[in-house]
Amino acid sequence: EAGVVQSPRYKIIEKKQPVAFWCNPISGHNTLYWYLQNLGQGPELLIRYENEEAVDDSQLPKDRFSAERLKGVDSTLKIQPAELGDSAVYLCASSSTSGVRTDTQYFGPGTRLTVL
Amino acid sequence: AQSVAQPEDQVNVAEGNPLTVKCTYSVSGNPYLFWYVQYPNRGLQFLLKYITGDNLVKGSYGFEAEFNKSQTSFHLKKPSALVSDSALYFCAVRDMGAAGNKLTFGGGTRVLVKP
Repeated sequence: EAGVVQSPRYKIIEKKQPVAFWCNPISGHNTLYWYLQNLGQGPELLIRYENEEAVDDSQLPKDRFSAERLKGVDSTLKIQPAELGDSAVYLCASSSTSGVRTDTQYFGPGTRLTVL
Repeated sequence: AQSVAQPEDQVNVAEGNPLTVKCTYSVSGNPYLFWYVQYPNRGLQFLLKYITGDNLVKGSYGFEAEFNKSQTSFHLKKPSALVSDSALYFCAVRDMGAAGNKLTFGGGTRVLVKP
């Protein structure tokens, strides 16, 4: 079974530029998460989707961050414009069944963003 | 609110010796508890979880963890550490009484196993 796929793995941009990250969850997983991980810290949830609906985006900085999951499968996270403080690893995770609270979240390899 | 504390930033252990990584949690209800491991430039890999039942949970790569409700702890253990166990370990908790599947992670503990 293929795991969570993310691209690109690395991205270097200048501040004020836009950037987008893509995630393809494990097949059959209808819950998708985007996390932010700063260096040496644990991941922090940005947004959670159940199918195509964003059910928890309370931690997403909506002035510059946006996300979509149009068909309930792949998802894209966008930052526009990027700031120096956005340099971090952006992790995508998925789990199998919405509402089943014991579900394990499986993580992709992440996208490491460097903003210069 | 739910929270996790990993009191040690780093744990050093000699290869072949037992390894323990500490985790304490705080939730208003009953907890679901998870351990993940992260190797350099990789995502988090699931090791094990406690949902209910036996307090001793066995997971991948010879790891196990013991749930202790009275001490609100979920320490990760391995009887004999390998050099390849050197990585960053994260404990995470989810409150059974909370809606959704929101995990709260600890700050991580770096494990260094020396040959």
